[in-house]
Amino acid sequence: DVKVTQSSRYLVKRTGEKVFLECVQDMDHENMFWYRQDPGLGLRLIYFSYDVKMKEKGDIPEGYSVSREKKERFSLILESASTNQTSMYLCASRLGGSGANVLTFGAGSRLTVL
Amino acid sequence: EDQVTQSPEALRLQEGESSSLNCSYTVSGLRGLFWYRQDPGKGPEFLFTLYSAGEEKEKERLKATLTKKESFLHITAPKPEDSATYLCAVQAREGGGNKLTFGTGTQLKVEL
Repeated sequence: DVKVTQSSRYLVKRTGEKVFLECVQDMDHENMFWYRQDPGLGLRLIYFSYDVKMKEKGDIPEGYSVSREKKERFSLILESASTNQTSMYLCASRLGGSGANVLTFGAGSRLTVL
Repeated sequence: EDQVTQSPEALRLQEGESSSLNCSYTVSGLRGLFWYRQDPGKGPEFLFTLYSAGEEKEKERLKATLTKKESFLHITAPKPEDSATYLCAVQAREGGGNKLTFGTGTQLKVEL
C-alpha cells in the first residue's frame, strides 16, 4: 500500500512565524497535493505538483508556497503564519497520467496559529 | 465551475437501520467520482471510484451507485464502526483534470 507520511501531526505557532509542513510518499507517485480542511468548507486545494520541481496553484494559494526538490517529498511553507491559517492540512499523492487515479492521503497536520 | 453537494450534513442511525447518503454534482464531463471515508483526526481513506452512469460498486455493507447527476452511498445494516464522515469528490475530464472537487461530507453516527 502507498504510504503518505506527514511529519508533524500537531503544531502550535505564533503569528508571523515561518512554518514548514513536510510530506513524504513511498510509492514513486508523480503527483502530490496539499489541501486544507475546515468545518463547513470541505477540502480546498492549496497547491499541487505534477513532478519534481513543478508546481501549480490550486484554489487558495495565497499566503502559501511549496517546494518539491525530490519526487517523494512535497513541502508546504507558510512564509508568515496568520490566525486564519489555523486548519487541518492534508497531503496526498497519486500516480500521474490522464486516468481517474486515486488520491492517497496522509494522516493530516493540525496547525494552530496563535 | 465544478460543484459537489452532499446531503444530509449529519445522519444518526440505529445499528441495523439502513439508509443512503447523497452526492449531487455538476461537472464539465466526468472522469471519475470518488467516495472516501474519514475518521476523526485522520486523513480520508479511499472507498470507491465510479466512472459512468449506471455503475455500482460494493464493499461489505457499502454500495455506491452513480447517475448523470448524483451518486448514492447505500449503507445496509450499519454497525457502530461505520461511524465516520463520508466524502464525495469529482474529477473533471477537461480543464485542470488532475484536480478533485470535494463536497463537505456527511457525518454518520451509528448507535447501538
